[in-house]
Amino acid sequence: AQSVTQPDIHITVSEGASLELRCNYSYGATPYLFWYVQSPGQGLQLLLKYFSGDTLVQGIKGFEAEFKRSQSSFNLRKPSVHWSDAAEYFCALSGGYQKVTFGTGTKLQVIP
Amino acid sequence: EAQVTQNPRYLITVTGKKLTVTCSQNMNHEYMSWYRQDPGLGLRQIYYSMNVEVTDKGDVPEGYKVSRKEKRNFPLILESPSPNQTSLYFCASSPTGGNIRDTQYFGPGTRLTVL
Repeated sequence: AQSVTQPDIHITVSEGASLELRCNYSYGATPYLFWYVQSPGQGLQLLLKYFSGDTLVQGIKGFEAEFKRSQSSFNLRKPSVHWSDAAEYFCALSGGYQKVTFGTGTKLQVIP
Repeated sequence: EAQVTQNPRYLITVTGKKLTVTCSQNMNHEYMSWYRQDPGLGLRQIYYSMNVEVTDKGDVPEGYKVSRKEKRNFPLILESPSPNQTSLYFCASSPTGGNIRDTQYFGPGTRLTVL
């Protein structure tokens, strides 16, 4: 069985501050991991993905994520948050037979 | 413009009245999938299709049907909707059916309310 856990339901950060969103996974083989962002009333947009190789993955909009196999984690980071980053963020894992499992999401609020 | 479209975007219906939510993609993608999104539960996969005439159950298939007669279309059918199917539904597609590393492209969503 595969699962994804996002322990933080809601996070508030000040504009310009750094951000880290946590994602933990459970999967018996090599995981394929994704981060998506969903702005209010919109569909999901891919931020970045990890398959193999370099454990630090760069994505769009200045986001990056680090894969740590020993901790079963794939945390999303951004050095300086902008007000437009306020959205809901989903971590996802793709396993065998194209089955995709999403985490429950983390809502990011950005305050001035 | 490459996109995934869903219709309708909003739908209010009553218990037991059959309905279909359409999904179409213009990217010649092999893989298509349906998800439902509920507060606190994230997105859960309902059904997916690796190619024409090939479909399989996701995590929450009960109460839903799908078909894939053409590559571009993947309709979601609720034969007898119930209030617990009130949700936000997303269709997604990706280029190949066999490569689980493919990026999925999501439609804009369909908000369904079953009274």
